[in-house]
Amino acid sequence: EVQLVESGGGLVQPGGSLRLSCAASGFIVSSNYMSWVRQAPGKGLEWVSVIYSGGSTYYADSVRGRFTISRDNSKNTLYLQMNSLRAEDTAVYYCARAMAGTSGCFDSWGQGTLVTVSS
Amino acid sequence: QLVLTQSPSASASLGASVKLTCTLTSGHISYAIAWHQQQPQKGPRYLMKLNSDGSHIKGDGIPDRFSGSSSGAERYLTISSLQSEDEADYYCQTWGTGILVFGGGTKLTVL
Repeated sequence: EVQLVESGGGLVQPGGSLRLSCAASGFIVSSNYMSWVRQAPGKGLEWVSVIYSGGSTYYADSVRGRFTISRDNSKNTLYLQMNSLRAEDTAVYYCARAMAGTSGCFDSWGQGTLVTVSS
Repeated sequence: QLVLTQSPSASASLGASVKLTCTLTSGHISYAIAWHQQQPQKGPRYLMKLNSDGSHIKGDGIPDRFSGSSSGAERYLTISSLQSEDEADYYCQTWGTGILVFGGGTKLTVL
């Protein structure tokens, strides 16, 4: 069974950093295209970043230069390093797996982890 | 620019059918999309991948009441025999090289 479990969220001050983790089971992270998606309170879903199986990474304009997506193959885990955090980064962050054969059709989602940026 | 447009809200009666629409920008009408459901206070759930020819691949356990169809730039999600648990936000989503896009979502109310 495919499972994605996020962790690492919490309260952080503006300008601070946080690293989110997404532990996967039931499939191999490095063989799939994996993304982070966020949802601000009361708002819709917003794509944040993707890492392809070959290692290429892409970011939404709103986070480029501040966030870094990566993975640890030995731990079968996806990460999101978030630096220079702003109040507008406050959201629930989800990791998602893209369906095999597509670069972005999400067929599995985690339960999410809440990040709150506030002083 | 790749953009998906959804109506903010829709409503239908218990037991009835409803058809939600997701519109692709011109120039991208051949793109496949995915439909996702988000029930209140829950994470998103994958419903189906919908191709431009109307063929679709549903997620595990998705009832037959959920179906998809396509026409030009429009992608549709039809839910028949509406149940109370279908009250949720529905998002369409598409992708290209290095970019992924969500529609703004449609809040479905079951009356």
